[in-house]
Amino acid sequence: NAGVMQNPRHLVRRRGQEARLRCSPMKGHSHVYWYRQLPEEGLKFMVYLQKENIIDESGMPKERFSAEFPKEGPSILRIQQVVRGDSAAYFCASSRTDPGNTIYFGEGSWLTVV
Amino acid sequence: GDSVTQMEGPVTLSEEAFLTINCTYTATGYPSLFWYVQYPGEGLQLLLKATKADDKGSNKGFEATYRKETTSFHLEKGSVQVSDSAVYFCALKHNAGKSTFGDGTTLTVKP
Repeated sequence: NAGVMQNPRHLVRRRGQEARLRCSPMKGHSHVYWYRQLPEEGLKFMVYLQKENIIDESGMPKERFSAEFPKEGPSILRIQQVVRGDSAAYFCASSRTDPGNTIYFGEGSWLTVV
Repeated sequence: GDSVTQMEGPVTLSEEAFLTINCTYTATGYPSLFWYVQYPGEGLQLLLKATKADDKGSNKGFEATYRKETTSFHLEKGSVQVSDSAVYFCALKHNAGKSTFGDGTTLTVKP
């Protein structure tokens, strides 16, 4: 099975531009999670989605950030009008709702805002 | 809400030393517990997990036991190698919900 696929791996944006990060979950997984890792810090939860539904967005900044997981295609994390503080690694993970509840991570997307 | 507390790093050990990284948690109910490892420039890889009290997860010489009475899930390895140098994250997860991570512990193993 292919793992969780994220792209792009590295993205450079100028301040004020938009960043779009994509995540395809593992085959058979219908739950997607986005986490952000700032330099020298741990993982912070952002949002949890199922197909066409946002289940928990308690970790999403109130402005400029949005996420979707459409019926077809990958999950998208969108950051509008990026600022330097958005520079971070963004990790996507996926899971099934089985009793093991394991989430599997992608390789991450490193966003640099210049 | 849920929280995970890991021992602060960095931890520096010599090769073949014994490793313990402490992890305690606060949660309602009975979450599953996990250890993930992150190598530089990469994503998190699942190292081991335990889904109920007294379960022991093990993988690649690492092990951790789900202790409900002390709400702990300490990671141990009897003899570390240079290749074990990485950041280790403890995490918990309830059914169909987000995972909560500790802040990570950086391990450096010197030859």
